[in-house]
Amino acid sequence: QKEVEQNSGPLSVPEGAIASLNCTYSDRGSQSFFWYRQYSGKSPELIMFIYSNGDKEDGRFTAQLNKASQYVSLLIRDSQPSDSATYLCAVRLNSGYSTLTFGKGTMLLVSP
Amino acid sequence: EAGVAQSPRYKIIEKRQSVAFWCNPISGHATLYWYQQILGQGPKLLIQFQNNGVVDDSQLPKDRFSAERLKGVDSTLKIQPAKLEDSAVYLCASMTGTGASEQYFGPGTRLTVT
Repeated sequence: QKEVEQNSGPLSVPEGAIASLNCTYSDRGSQSFFWYRQYSGKSPELIMFIYSNGDKEDGRFTAQLNKASQYVSLLIRDSQPSDSATYLCAVRLNSGYSTLTFGKGTMLLVSP
Repeated sequence: EAGVAQSPRYKIIEKRQSVAFWCNPISGHATLYWYQQILGQGPKLLIQFQNNGVVDDSQLPKDRFSAERLKGVDSTLKIQPAKLEDSAVYLCASMTGTGASEQYFGPGTRLTVT
């Protein structure tokens, strides 16, 4: 059974700090990894995706993937109060039609 | 480009009643998903369509849930009869097709079963 595990939080960081969100997955066949942000009462929106081991940077966001450890993380630099949301990790077996499996999400609270 | 449309946005029904949700994906998107998101959890896939064919419905409770996408465009999800544990947000998402990275989510329908 495919599982995606995340600490539910909340993770509290002060404004301007680095927020580190972590995710582990059970299926070694997973090939694609996604981070979604979900504001309260809203639908998920894609922040980043990563396919290869290592780091991928996009603005203030960095996704890190370690397939050997079955671990993916999201770093948010210079955290802003507007970053306060639930961050969902999702994994997919391949880039075809296989489905996304989501974790429960980590709530991030950025205090001014 | 218009986003994924869903209706209704909110629905309150009593247990054992039936309910239907509608989704219109982004134009040209061949892949359509229905997810169930219970409060405090991540979205759980119920069914995935590729055009008008079902790709994955392994987690759809088929004794009470049904879904169709007859013309490969819009889709309906039905629950009959509803149970208390069906209270959740039902999210529709669409994607262009094979190899695409991003699923675009609709605003969701919040269902409350009393």
